[in-house]
Amino acid sequence: DTAVSQTPKYLVTQMGNDKSIKCEQNLGHDTMYWYKQDSKKFLKIMFSYNNKELIINETVPNRFSPKSPDKAHLNLHINSLELGDSAVYFCASSQVGVAQYFGPGTRLTVL
Amino acid sequence: AQSVTQPDIHITVSEGASLELRCNYSYGATPYLFWYVQSPGQGLQLLLKYFSGDTLVQGIKGFEAEFKRSQSSFNLRKPSVHWSDAAEYFCAVGAGGAGNKLTFGGGTRVLVKP
Repeated sequence: DTAVSQTPKYLVTQMGNDKSIKCEQNLGHDTMYWYKQDSKKFLKIMFSYNNKELIINETVPNRFSPKSPDKAHLNLHINSLELGDSAVYFCASSQVGVAQYFGPGTRLTVL
Repeated sequence: AQSVTQPDIHITVSEGASLELRCNYSYGATPYLFWYVQSPGQGLQLLLKYFSGDTLVQGIKGFEAEFKRSQSSFNLRKPSVHWSDAAEYFCAVGAGGAGNKLTFGGGTRVLVKP
């Protein structure tokens, strides 16, 4: 059983396009996150949702819009993709105050 | 603001030898501390965590870590490394509570020689 799953695993697209990444967790956790890992492997939080409500937004460009239709899903939509958006995006989930469990990642390449 | 430093970017160790990865953190209150491992092309797997209590914590795959408040450190150790331990290791600090934002160190890449 996959605890935190993301689709797609790989995403290659042209600059200016709009794309979405989907995340689902079957752990019953209340909180979900998006992290970005750059080419130097540096991981940084982007967003956090608790029970479908946005609680962390780490100064991410508003071209990035997370959406949480229910507490088991947190999708990431990116408008007008730029070269600098190329990275690996990780979804994670946790209960409050407990360790986060990460998905396998989505490698986004913007050409 | 919280921060995490992993001083060693790369470490090469022989199979069967011991391993220690360093992690120093900066945080104003009692931190929640974590070690994650990332194998090539994979996601992050939680190795162990420290929230409170015994400062020596045991994790999966034979790893352990020790929290030293006086040194603001949370070093990861393994007595005998296996070839499958070759990976990137990340230390992280979290505030706990709703949101539980994790701040990660830059990672340490471990290479295992036969």
